[in-house]
Amino acid sequence: AQSVTQPDIHITVSEGASLELRCNYSYGATPYLFWYVQSPGQGLQLLLKYFSGDTLVQGIKGFEAEFKRSQSSFNLRKPSVHWSDAAEYFCAVGAYAAGNKLTFGGGTRVLVKP
Amino acid sequence: DAGITQSPRHKVTETGTPVTLRCHQTENHRYMYWYRQDPGHGLRLIHYSYGVKDTDKGEVSDGYSVSRSKTEDFLLTLESATSSQTSVYFCAISDRENQETQYFGPGTRLLVL
Repeated sequence: AQSVTQPDIHITVSEGASLELRCNYSYGATPYLFWYVQSPGQGLQLLLKYFSGDTLVQGIKGFEAEFKRSQSSFNLRKPSVHWSDAAEYFCAVGAYAAGNKLTFGGGTRVLVKP
Repeated sequence: DAGITQSPRHKVTETGTPVTLRCHQTENHRYMYWYRQDPGHGLRLIHYSYGVKDTDKGEVSDGYSVSRSKTEDFLLTLESATSSQTSVYFCAISDRENQETQYFGPGTRLLVL
């Protein structure tokens, strides 16, 4: 069965500082990996996704993520955080063989200090 | 943004009453999903559909049923609501050309008293 772990429940970062959110997954084959962002009271917006190929993927809003098969990780990064990045971030793993079902991590809530 | 709407957006109900949530899409996508979101659990899959009248269970399906009689509509029913079903419910759809990517609706906040 697929599983996803986001070790950090909360992260506080100063505006302009860099941000890295951790995601570790468990899946027997090559997974499809996603990062979603949820602003308060809103639905989920897709930030980026990895299916195959280049292990460094670029997303919207200046985010990027790197797939590391040896570490079963897919960490999300942003070089300089803006106040509008305060939100909850979810990592998810999916696989076509699993009926396109997604398994989500518990989420990381990011607070941005001025 | 994908054309997904959910209704109602908010609902308060009492324990033991039936509740139906509706997800409507205008994208003609084959796959539709229902998730619930609870603090610390992220989103968990309740049921999903891979075509009209074709549905299957997710990891937290007990107490829920679904129906899909048209491509555009996916209904989630709580036959007899319980307080443990208080949650935020999200519908998602999969892109036809890229089935692995799911797009989410705005959510329905349900409170069961």
